[in-house]
Amino acid sequence: SQQGEEDPQALSIQEGENATMNCSYKTSINNLQWYRQNSGRGLVHLILIRSNEREKHSGRLRVTLDTSKKSSSLLITASRAADTASYFCATQTGASGSRLTFGEGTQLTVNP
Amino acid sequence: EPEVTQTPSHQVTQMGQEVILRCVPISNHLYFYWYRQILGQKVEFLVSFYNNEISEKSEIFDDQFSVERPDGSNFTLKIRSTKLEDSAMYFCASSWTGGVYEQYFGPGTRLTVT
Repeated sequence: SQQGEEDPQALSIQEGENATMNCSYKTSINNLQWYRQNSGRGLVHLILIRSNEREKHSGRLRVTLDTSKKSSSLLITASRAADTASYFCATQTGASGSRLTFGEGTQLTVNP
Repeated sequence: EPEVTQTPSHQVTQMGQEVILRCVPISNHLYFYWYRQILGQKVEFLVSFYNNEISEKSEIFDDQFSVERPDGSNFTLKIRSTKLEDSAMYFCASSWTGGVYEQYFGPGTRLTVT
């Protein structure tokens, strides 16, 4: 398995429902980040959680990190059709400026 | 809001040709990166660049690839002799330093090698 694996691979929900995506990784990390990618577009940074943090909120996003299980989850509450996109976790093991290692991504579809 | 820009948005080239992909990072950022995403696959790191030299590169970034910051604003990725398997979306990213870790991505250049 590779660093940064998300599940599920695909998730389809109705508008207003919550969406939870999970990410697992293999090595020790400095931080874990979540990015969104709309179809055929660039990556948009959503939220970063450092290895010494357990939970972080940003608007409708809630991220948790469990370093003992090497896993993270992204919760999007009260989903909207505009949240339809692919969501990737990415880990950074080193200092600022080091590479991001991306997972396979979760394709989220929010049906109106 | 400042953003990373990339040109062209789509490049079609024949196998064996050289291509140069261009990026303008966010102006006060000091780290620059190239990533690629083959269709349907995950985003893969290619190279990072800091203080006018490569700071890290992946196994993908072989002798066919090179990067340059020819002036104070542009950051380029050159592929010397393209192969069919180089077809992918190439993303440029930049980040600041000082403990700020977020990387800001451009919209990408879709490279199609025929």
